[in-house]
Amino acid sequence: QKEVEQNSGPLSVPEGAIASLNCTYSDRGSQSFFWYRQYSGKSPELIMFIYSNGDKEDGRFTAQLNKASQYVSLLIRDSQPSDSATYLCAASADRGSTLGRLYFGRGTQLTVWP
Amino acid sequence: EAQVTQNPRYLITVTGKKLTVTCSQNMNHEYMSWYRQDPGLGLRQIYYSMNVEVTDKGDVPEGYKVSRKEKRNFPLILESPSPNQTSLYFCASRIRDGANYGYTFGSGTRLTVV
Repeated sequence: QKEVEQNSGPLSVPEGAIASLNCTYSDRGSQSFFWYRQYSGKSPELIMFIYSNGDKEDGRFTAQLNKASQYVSLLIRDSQPSDSATYLCAASADRGSTLGRLYFGRGTQLTVWP
Repeated sequence: EAQVTQNPRYLITVTGKKLTVTCSQNMNHEYMSWYRQDPGLGLRQIYYSMNVEVTDKGDVPEGYKVSRKEKRNFPLILESPSPNQTSLYFCASRIRDGANYGYTFGSGTRLTVV
């Protein structure tokens, strides 16, 4: 069973702070990793993906990947109340009979207070 | 507009009454998938399909059926719904080539079985 684990949260940060969300995965064969944001009652929305070791930045979001440690993180700089949502980490199954599947963590609920 | 369309958005039904939740995508994606989301359990994959006439079980397939007769459609069938299938359901699709592309999700179907 391929597993993706996220820090359980909930996480609460003040407006303007850096929010740090973490994720580990069990399948060493996974090559691509995704962060989704999900507002309450809405569908998940893709905000970042990363497939190379190191950092990837997109605006206020930075994804970090360490394949040796099987660790993925998402940093949100200058957090805003509109960032308050549940963040889902996902790892792809990139080979074998499960090719094309995405495995999701249970999510971390983030609250940014003014 | 590129999208995944699910219907209905909300459904209340009685135990044992067969139902179908439809899913259609207009992006010519090869991969399609059904997830259910329950509080504290995150997104769990029910079935997925890598192409027309190619489907496979996910992590929680019991009580569900799917078919993929056309590339754009991937309906979810509950032959005899039970209360433990009360959940929020998401259909999602993804292009085959390029593991760097995550799934695009539909708006969700909230199902209640009484």
